[in-house]
Amino acid sequence: AQSVSQHNHHVILSEAASLELGCNYSYGGTVNLFWYVQYPGQHLQLLLKYFSGDPLVKGIKGFEAEFIKSKFSFNLRKPSVQWSDTAEYFCAVRGGATNKLIFGTGTLLAVQP
Amino acid sequence: DTEVTQTPKHLVMGMTNKKSLKCEQHMGHRAMYWYKQKAKKPPELMFVYSYEKLSINESVPSRFSPECPNSSLLNLHLHALQPEDSALYLCASSQGGRRNEQYFGPGTRLTVT
Repeated sequence: AQSVSQHNHHVILSEAASLELGCNYSYGGTVNLFWYVQYPGQHLQLLLKYFSGDPLVKGIKGFEAEFIKSKFSFNLRKPSVQWSDTAEYFCAVRGGATNKLIFGTGTLLAVQP
Repeated sequence: DTEVTQTPKHLVMGMTNKKSLKCEQHMGHRAMYWYKQKAKKPPELMFVYSYEKLSINESVPSRFSPECPNSSLLNLHLHALQPEDSALYLCASSQGGRRNEQYFGPGTRLTVT
């Protein structure tokens, strides 16, 4: 069965610090990979996605993620975080022919001004 | 337009009530989804409709009954719910096919008393 692991449950950073959130998945076949963000009181928004091609994908708001197939990883990065990046971040994986999206447990990011 | 709308935003119902949640999208998407999200947890898939047919039911209790009247609308009929069913119910839609990012609505916050 597919699973998604996000190792950092709660991250606290100061503004301008760099961010890297880990995501690992277990599925041996072709995968589609996603990062979603949920700002306080708001709905899930798609940050970025990977289907194929360049393993370094850029998303909205200065976020990027790198797909490393050999490590089954899709880590999220941002060089300099802002207070407005405070939110919960979910990694999600869709594998095979199914429409099922499997979410990681989420990482709560708090950015201190 | 990447908007998925859901009504109502909040719903309080007793255990003997019957109510319905509604979801609508006008992006021409052919797959629609219901998720349940408990506080501080990731969304959990409940149902998937593909081309207006139920394609995935994640062993959801029969007190939850989905309906897809047409390609733009998705309903979730609720009957005889339990207090543990209190959660945020999210609707999502996607194009269908292989490139399949899901767009989420704001959710309905359901409280069962």
